[in-house]
Amino acid sequence: DAGITQSPRYKITETGRQVTLMCHQTWSHSYMFWYRQDLGHGLRLIYYSAAADITDKGEVPDGYVVSRSKTENFPLTLESATRSQTSVYFCASSASGYTDTQYFGPGTRLTVL
Amino acid sequence: SQKIEQNSEALNIQEGKTATLTCNYTNYSPAYLQWYRQDPGRGPVFLLLIRENEKEKRKERLKVTFDTTLKQSLFHITASQPADSATYLCALDTGGGNKLTFGTGTQLKVEL
Repeated sequence: DAGITQSPRYKITETGRQVTLMCHQTWSHSYMFWYRQDLGHGLRLIYYSAAADITDKGEVPDGYVVSRSKTENFPLTLESATRSQTSVYFCASSASGYTDTQYFGPGTRLTVL
Repeated sequence: SQKIEQNSEALNIQEGKTATLTCNYTNYSPAYLQWYRQDPGRGPVFLLLIRENEKEKRKERLKVTFDTTLKQSLFHITASQPADSATYLCALDTGGGNKLTFGTGTQLKVEL
């Protein structure tokens, strides 16, 4: 019963570096989501995917890239990290979209120096 | 402007009492609303979903109400326990069923 996992759990990087956050789910859920959580802003959607090879922008997509070649994986890449991308990142999945339960991973705490 | 508001101040209550958390929204017409629990250092966990045509929903000690006229949802935990201490997030359908927007959450502390 692995569920949804994220790696790494903690990451420190420098401005300008490329960083990839991994997300893996074992339920074969169609939908996957990436959120960032910052004090005072709550959870904000970065990107989502309705199925393999189908992705779409959320509320705050600038500076991020996603891909979904396999149903179970949904990596998030920061192409050139900036200090404003310091945050806690959560991946989530659901069987059939927003009206369904979203299952969240444990989060990745990213610090950009 | 569109807003989702949850009380940013922590709610402190005594064990055994009913905790009531509020989620207010403006300029949205959500078809449904969800409540999540988040513990420190962990991802949110889904608790309940209530649809616009449902006034109230219950699950064990939890009760959610949804008043589309007042643009408000209330989340109740009866017979609260210290283990209920966490941050509770409301999330609204803000895109006709295709977008979920989260509030900033309210921290609940249940004291012995």
